[in-house]
Amino acid sequence: AQSVTQPDARVTVSEGASLQLRCKYSYSGTPYLFWYVQYPRQGLQLLLKYYSGDPVVQGVNGFEAEFSKSNSSFHLRKASVHWSDSAVYFCVLSLNTNKVVFGTGTRLQVLP
Amino acid sequence: NAGVIQTPRHKVTGKGQEATLWCEPISGHSAVFWYRQTIVQGLEFLTYFRNQAPIDDSGMPKERFSAQMPNQSHSTLKIQSTQPQDSAVYLCASSPQTGYEQYFGPGTRLTVL
Repeated sequence: AQSVTQPDARVTVSEGASLQLRCKYSYSGTPYLFWYVQYPRQGLQLLLKYYSGDPVVQGVNGFEAEFSKSNSSFHLRKASVHWSDSAVYFCVLSLNTNKVVFGTGTRLQVLP
Repeated sequence: NAGVIQTPRHKVTGKGQEATLWCEPISGHSAVFWYRQTIVQGLEFLTYFRNQAPIDDSGMPKERFSAQMPNQSHSTLKIQSTQPQDSAVYLCASSPQTGYEQYFGPGTRLTVL
């Protein structure tokens, strides 16, 4: 069955440090993958998307993600985090239809 | 582009009352989705429409929840006889004709007393 696993419920980093949020998926078809960010009392905002091609995709605010078919992963990275990046991040898998599967989210706390 | 619009942002109802939530998708988008978000359950799919037609309502509690999309510019989610366990943030999202990414509204926080 299709699933998305975000193994880290919480991640804490210091401002200016690099960041990696992990995401593993399970899906037998061609995966379409997304990362979303949710700030307090707001909806989900699309950070980046992967459909095909270059496995490294660039997103907004300096975020990027790397797709790995062999590892069934789609990890999110940022070279230098800012305190304003504190939020919940969701990895999302599209089932080649309009249905999607959400990861449980990773709450990022950036310490000043 | 105003993004997905949801109204009201907050709604408080008494137990047993009806609640209607509104969503205006991004103009030109062909699919509209409804989700419910709680701390305990996380994000739960409720239902979705494509080109105004209901496609999948497998996540909808059958007895008290209903959703409609009478035209391409808005969708409603109606909850009859609200119960405290219906308290949640209800998110609406829309998706373009090409592509599978979804764009979310800010949500409606429903509190049932």
